[in-house]
Amino acid sequence: NAGVTQTPKFRVLKTGQSMTLLCAQDMNHEYMYWYRQDPGMGLRLIHYSVGEGTTAKGEVPDGYNVSRLKKQNFLLGLESAAPSQTSVYFCASSYSRRSNEKLFFGSGTQLSVL
Amino acid sequence: AQRVTQPEKLLSVFKGAPVELKCNYSYSGSPELFWYVQYSRQRLQLLLRHISRESIKGFTADLNKGETSFHLKKPFAQEEDSAMYYCAPIVYNFNKFYFGSGTKLNVKP
Repeated sequence: NAGVTQTPKFRVLKTGQSMTLLCAQDMNHEYMYWYRQDPGMGLRLIHYSVGEGTTAKGEVPDGYNVSRLKKQNFLLGLESAAPSQTSVYFCASSYSRRSNEKLFFGSGTQLSVL
Repeated sequence: AQRVTQPEKLLSVFKGAPVELKCNYSYSGSPELFWYVQYSRQRLQLLLRHISRESIKGFTADLNKGETSFHLKKPFAQEEDSAMYYCAPIVYNFNKFYFGSGTKLNVKP
């Protein structure tokens, strides 16, 4: 039982390049989330999904797209990377929509856009 | 608008001293409150949640609905408590977990 796995762990992009971050969970969780972590800003929600085939925008969705084709995977895409997207990205998942449910986090992806 | 505020970016205390990490929220509903912690080179993990009324690693957090606060406290800080702490209020059926900006706790020997 690996929990939440993110790939890659590190990536350097040039401005304008595209890439996809993969999040996989093996806990049969319905809910999955993508956050970015920036100094002084804490964690900000980018997009989230409440089930296979569904996605929704969070606080800072601009410049990102997501897909949830399979229940266990949640992909975050950057179509045209910008230096402002330099950040640490975290994926998380939870089993249900109950408000006392905890989140399980991945180990993060350090992305630098030059 | 839903907001959560952690006013201190950095909190430095000496080992053995009491510590309090502040969290204030403004939500239209009645949120459940969580504290998450991120130790160096580790992933974020749940520290404690209000509904459980538990004490984890000596930490407790009291929900004050009048002041809309959920401060995290520990009477005697340890060096291993040094970490980033995030407050997260969750509103039932809201489907989203919003986090505060975080407080970095540094416990000095």
